[in-house]
Amino acid sequence: SQTIHQWPATLVQPVGSPLSLECTVEGTSNPNLYWYRQAAGRGLQLLFYSVGIGQISSEVPQNLSASRPQDRQFILSSKKLLLSDSGFYLCALKGRGRGELFFGEGSRLTVL
Amino acid sequence: EDQVTQSPEALRLQEGESSSLNCSYTVSGLRGLFWYRQDPGKGPEFLFTLYSAGEEKEKERLKATLTKKESFLHITAPKPEDSATYLCAVQVLETSGSRLTFGEGTQLTVNP
Repeated sequence: SQTIHQWPATLVQPVGSPLSLECTVEGTSNPNLYWYRQAAGRGLQLLFYSVGIGQISSEVPQNLSASRPQDRQFILSSKKLLLSDSGFYLCALKGRGRGELFFGEGSRLTVL
Repeated sequence: EDQVTQSPEALRLQEGESSSLNCSYTVSGLRGLFWYRQDPGKGPEFLFTLYSAGEEKEKERLKATLTKKESFLHITAPKPEDSATYLCAVQVLETSGSRLTFGEGTQLTVNP
C-alpha cells in the first residue's frame, strides 16, 4: 500500500532562517506529488506539484520553493522564513483512481 | 475563477441528531468532487469521490450526494467519534496534474 512520510512533524524557526521539509513516499513509483499549506482554521492551499523528477509547478508566487531530487522524494524549502510562512504543511500523492489525493500527517511550522 | 464554499462553518449536534453539510462549487468543468475528514493536527483522510450529478456514495453513517452545483454530506445518527472537520474539494478539467481546490471546511462537533 502507498504510504507518505513527512518530517519533521513540528518545527519552530526564527524569522529569516532557512527551511527544509521532506516528504517521501513508499509503495508506488513515478507518483504525482503535491505540497499544500493549511493556515489555522482554513482550507488547503496548493503550493507546488510535481509529475516527475525535476519537474515542479508553482501555484502561488511566494517565499517558498520545491524540489524533486528523486522519484519518491519531494522537498519544500525556503532561504529566509517570514512570519506568514507559519502553517501546517501537507504532502500528498495522487491515488490510483481518477483524481483523489492521499495526504501525509503534516509538518507544523511556527515562525517566530 | 474556481470557487468552493462550505456551509455551515461549524455545526454542533447531539449524538443521534442527523444533519447535512453543504459544499457548493463554481467551476469551469467539474472532473470530480472529493470529501475528506480531518482530525486536529492530522492530515486529511479521504472519504469519497463523486463524478457526476445524481451520484451517491455511502460509508457507515456518511452519505455523499452530488448535483450540478453542490454536494451534500449527510450524517445519520452521528456519534462523538464523528467529530472532525469535513473538507470538500473539486478537481477541474485540465491537461496535467490532479490539482484539487478545497473549501474552508465544516467543523463538526457531536456531543454525547
